[in-house]
Amino acid sequence: AQSVTQPDIHITVSEGASLELRCNYSYGATPYLFWYVQSPGQGLQLLLKYFSGDTLVQGIKGFEAEFKRSQSSFNLRKPSVHWSDAAEYFCAVATSGTYKYIFGTGTRLKVLA
Amino acid sequence: DGGITQSPKYLFRKEGQNVTLSCEQNLNHDAMYWYRQDPGQGLRLIYYSQIVNDFQKGDIAEGYSVSREKKESFPLTVTSAQKNPTAFYLCASIPAGGNYGYTFGSGTRLTVV
Repeated sequence: AQSVTQPDIHITVSEGASLELRCNYSYGATPYLFWYVQSPGQGLQLLLKYFSGDTLVQGIKGFEAEFKRSQSSFNLRKPSVHWSDAAEYFCAVATSGTYKYIFGTGTRLKVLA
Repeated sequence: DGGITQSPKYLFRKEGQNVTLSCEQNLNHDAMYWYRQDPGQGLRLIYYSQIVNDFQKGDIAEGYSVSREKKESFPLTVTSAQKNPTAFYLCASIPAGGNYGYTFGSGTRLTVV
């Protein structure tokens, strides 16, 4: 069965520091992979997605993610974090041809001034 | 602007009552989804619909019902059979034929009092 694991429940970084949020998935074929961000009490906003091709994908707000098939990972990165990046981040996976997404349990990011 | 509107934003229900959460989209998307979000558990799929007058159960459908009479609308009813309905409910949609990533509404927070 498909699954998504986000090993870090909470992460705290200082403003201006780099960020990496981890995501591991379980699926036999190449999945569709997504990262979403959620501010408190709000819906989820799509940051970026990977379908195929270049394994390094760029998203909005200066985020990028790298698909590594050998590690079944799709980690999210940002070179320099801003205080406004404080939010909860969700990784999701969908199989080809389906529209059902499996979400990880989320990583809550705190940014120190 | 196109988007998904969920209403109300906050909803209070007495035990034993049914309540209906509204989800309307003007994106001309074919597929619509209802997810439940609880702290530390990520998003779990309740019901989804890929075309009008058709819908399927997700992973946690017990105690919930839906209808899809119009393409734009996918209301969710939380029935008295749902034992633990207090949660944040998110509606999402996606166009047919493309796994471009869900568009989410801003959510409804349901509290049983």
